[in-house]
Amino acid sequence: AQRVTQPEKLLSVFKGAPVELKCNYSYSGSPELFWYVQYSRQRLQLLLRHISRESIKGFTADLNKGETSFHLKKPFAQEEDSAMYYCALSRKAGSYQLTFGKGTKLSVIP
Amino acid sequence: GAGVSQSPSNKVTEKGKDVELRCDPISGHTALYWYRQSLGQGLEFLIYFQGNSAPDKSGLPSDRFSAERTGGSVSTLTIQRTQQEDSAVYLCASSLERTGSGEQYFGPGTRLTVT
Repeated sequence: AQRVTQPEKLLSVFKGAPVELKCNYSYSGSPELFWYVQYSRQRLQLLLRHISRESIKGFTADLNKGETSFHLKKPFAQEEDSAMYYCALSRKAGSYQLTFGKGTKLSVIP
Repeated sequence: GAGVSQSPSNKVTEKGKDVELRCDPISGHTALYWYRQSLGQGLEFLIYFQGNSAPDKSGLPSDRFSAERTGGSVSTLTIQRTQQEDSAVYLCASSLERTGSGEQYFGPGTRLTVT
């Protein structure tokens, strides 16, 4: 069975400080990893996925298969980054259903 | 273009009543998913549709839950004899068939409160 763990429920950082949201996963196969974000009063939306290896809104995430991690990072936090962040895993076959972590609420202090 | 829409946005019902939740996916998206978001459990997968068939119902918590999809488009999630533990936000998502990316587009959700 697949599992996604986000150890921090709440993370507070000052504006301009670096941010790292942790995500670890367990899955017997080769998964696809995603970060989804939910801003206040908005719907859940995709932030980035590991296969595209892109930077979105200054965020990056590297898949580390050895450590089974997919941590989300940003060098300089902005107030508009305050939101709920969910790490998610999808199998590469079958239903592509997403298995989500419990989420980390990021609060950027001005 | 229009995103995934869900109705109603809020639903309050009495314990024991049946409820129906509706999802309109993005046009052309053949894959449709239902998830449940609750305080204690986070986001949980319920059911997956590919076209009108549901090859994966593994997340449905009990036989009180059922879902159907018609015309490869609109889906309805039905909860019979609702219980207080069914209170949650029910999210629908759709995606293109076999993009390989698994990118899913979410609706705004239906907040269900069972009193």
